[in-house]
Amino acid sequence: AQTVTQSQPEMSVQEAETVTLSCTYDTSESDYYLFWYKQPPSRQMILVIRQEAYKQQNATENRFSVNFQKAAKSFSLKISDSQLGDAAMYFCAYRGRTGGFKTIFGAGTRLFVKA
Amino acid sequence: ETGVTQTPRHLVMGMTNKKSLKCEQHLGHNAMYWYKQSAKKPLELMFVYNFKEQTENNSVPSRFSPECPNSSHLFLHLHTLQPEDSALYLCASSQVGGLADTNTGELFFGEGSRLTVL
Repeated sequence: AQTVTQSQPEMSVQEAETVTLSCTYDTSESDYYLFWYKQPPSRQMILVIRQEAYKQQNATENRFSVNFQKAAKSFSLKISDSQLGDAAMYFCAYRGRTGGFKTIFGAGTRLFVKA
Repeated sequence: ETGVTQTPRHLVMGMTNKKSLKCEQHLGHNAMYWYKQSAKKPLELMFVYNFKEQTENNSVPSRFSPECPNSSHLFLHLHTLQPEDSALYLCASSQVGGLADTNTGELFFGEGSRLTVL
């Protein structure tokens, strides 16, 4: 069975600085998707960034980028120029391309942004 | 209305009550999900419906009963719950499948229903 592990329950970053959130996963599949979702306080969860496992190039979305290491089964999220609005829970998630409709989530990392 | 909407946002119920959570998606997706979110735990997938057919039931106790009358609506019927069932219940939808399964299955979430069982 696939698992997703986020080893950092909480992280803190100064406004305008850079922070990296860690995620590791375990799977025997070769083709899959990885996601980072953001859940602001009392607001709905939204997709931040997505990575297809068959793509070697790391995904980027404005200030958000990932470091995808397929062999190490590692998928970290880097937030550059952190803003107060980045404060939220961040969830790493996995979906196998042939695994039906299951998306498996990690326990989340709460990110605090200091002004 | 756009996106995924859930009602009620907050629900307090006793262990002997019967209540229902409602979810509606306006995105034209073919799959809908119930997740349970408890503090400091990974989101737990409870049920998945694809084109109104249940495709996943992750060993959820029978006191939770899902209903999917059409591809846009999803309900979670609750009865004789336990205090440990108190959590945030998230509904989500996605577009999956297709000949080459080119859809990534990105989930679109509602804001959740905060359930407290006394």
